[in-house]
Amino acid sequence: KNQVEQSPQSLIILEGKNCTLQCNYTVSPFSNLRWYKQDTGRGPVSLTIMTFSENTKSNGRYTATLDADTKQSSLHITASQLSDSASYICVVSVGYGGSQGNLIFGKGTKLSVKP
Amino acid sequence: GAGVSQSPSNKVTEKGKDVELRCDPISGHTALYWYRQRLGQGLEFLIYFQGNSAPDKSGLPSDRFSAERTGESVSTLTIQRTQQEDSAVYLCASSLAPGQPRNQETQYFGPGTRLLVL
Repeated sequence: KNQVEQSPQSLIILEGKNCTLQCNYTVSPFSNLRWYKQDTGRGPVSLTIMTFSENTKSNGRYTATLDADTKQSSLHITASQLSDSASYICVVSVGYGGSQGNLIFGKGTKLSVKP
Repeated sequence: GAGVSQSPSNKVTEKGKDVELRCDPISGHTALYWYRQRLGQGLEFLIYFQGNSAPDKSGLPSDRFSAERTGESVSTLTIQRTQQEDSAVYLCASSLAPGQPRNQETQYFGPGTRLLVL
């Protein structure tokens, strides 16, 4: 069964600290993996997208890694800011094109950054 | 427009009533998607439009759910005879015409419509 699991479910950190969010997936065939940030009451916003051949991708203070062998991804946030408080969603695409119904969404990690 | 917009932002209805949710995609985006997000759950795919056609309706949970799109622009998601389990946030997203591989196109999400069925 195609699944995307994220951990931790929630996380509280102090402003300025770093943190790492995890995403494990059992999806086959794998196409790509995305991380989205979803602020409370808003729609998700894309942070990164990585294909099978990419190991890391950065977007400002966000760095995503992908290990296609172990089917794991992480999102590292450096020098956290209060505005980083949000849910972070890992999304894996199944297959090599075709229907958008082949996006498998994780339940997200809720990050709270405290002053 | 500057982004994907959805209306209403909130909707409270009584069980058994019909509701209609609206999505205005980014201008020029030919692909449009509807998702459902229940409290504490991940997003569930509902339906995908390419232009005005819906090649993938596999996510619609029952025949009470339907969607249409006109003018390769606005889309409406209709839920008939609403049930309490329909309570969720309904998110719409759009993207440019799919390239190859299609799965790599970026989807831009709207703020969602929060539906509460009493």
